[in-house]
Amino acid sequence: DAGVIQSPRHEVTEMGQEVTLRCKPISGHDYLFWYRQTMMRGLELLIYFNNNVPIDDSGMPEDRFSAKMPNASFSTLKIQPSEPRDSAVYFCASSSNRDGSYEQYFGPGTRLTVT
Amino acid sequence: GQSLEQPSEVTAVEGAIVQINCTYQTSGFYGLSWYQQHDGGAPTFLSYNALDGLEETGRFSSFLSRSDSYGYLLLQELQMKDSASYFCAVMAGFKTIFGAGTRLFVKA
Repeated sequence: DAGVIQSPRHEVTEMGQEVTLRCKPISGHDYLFWYRQTMMRGLELLIYFNNNVPIDDSGMPEDRFSAKMPNASFSTLKIQPSEPRDSAVYFCASSSNRDGSYEQYFGPGTRLTVT
Repeated sequence: GQSLEQPSEVTAVEGAIVQINCTYQTSGFYGLSWYQQHDGGAPTFLSYNALDGLEETGRFSSFLSRSDSYGYLLLQELQMKDSASYFCAVMAGFKTIFGAGTRLFVKA
């Protein structure tokens, strides 16, 4: 398996623009997570899905952020409108928890810069 | 609320043993996970403790005391490639709260 795939790997955009981050989880994994990592706030869970259904979105910072999972092999995180404080590395992760370890497999991340 | 504390930095020499501590306050606790992250890379899973005691995986071991809300990661026979950030994470099911991370520097 190729692992978790994220695109784009880097995104530079101007304040006010819409940004869409994409994620393809590992085949067979039924949990998908979106995280944000910054120096100031560390690694934060934004939202996670189970079987394509959002389970907990309490980490989504505000209404400008939205996430969807239309099928088991694809998810998006959208920011509209983007602001400079959204600059961060956004990670997608997936898991199956078949062994009860809650192990999450992280993608390479998308480095977002909002100017 | 939920909070985790771990040291911000630890320095050790190659071949030595280092222990990274993690204390937590949380509700709905299932277990404690540890992740490693190299600069510019993604976090990778190291271990998960749901029960009290020590879990060993090769050179790495992880310990949990639920009564003390405390855990640690033990790295033995340190190698230069172990220089990275190490995160403890409280698991409430799959709801994951990460600590701020401990940056480990391994010196020759």
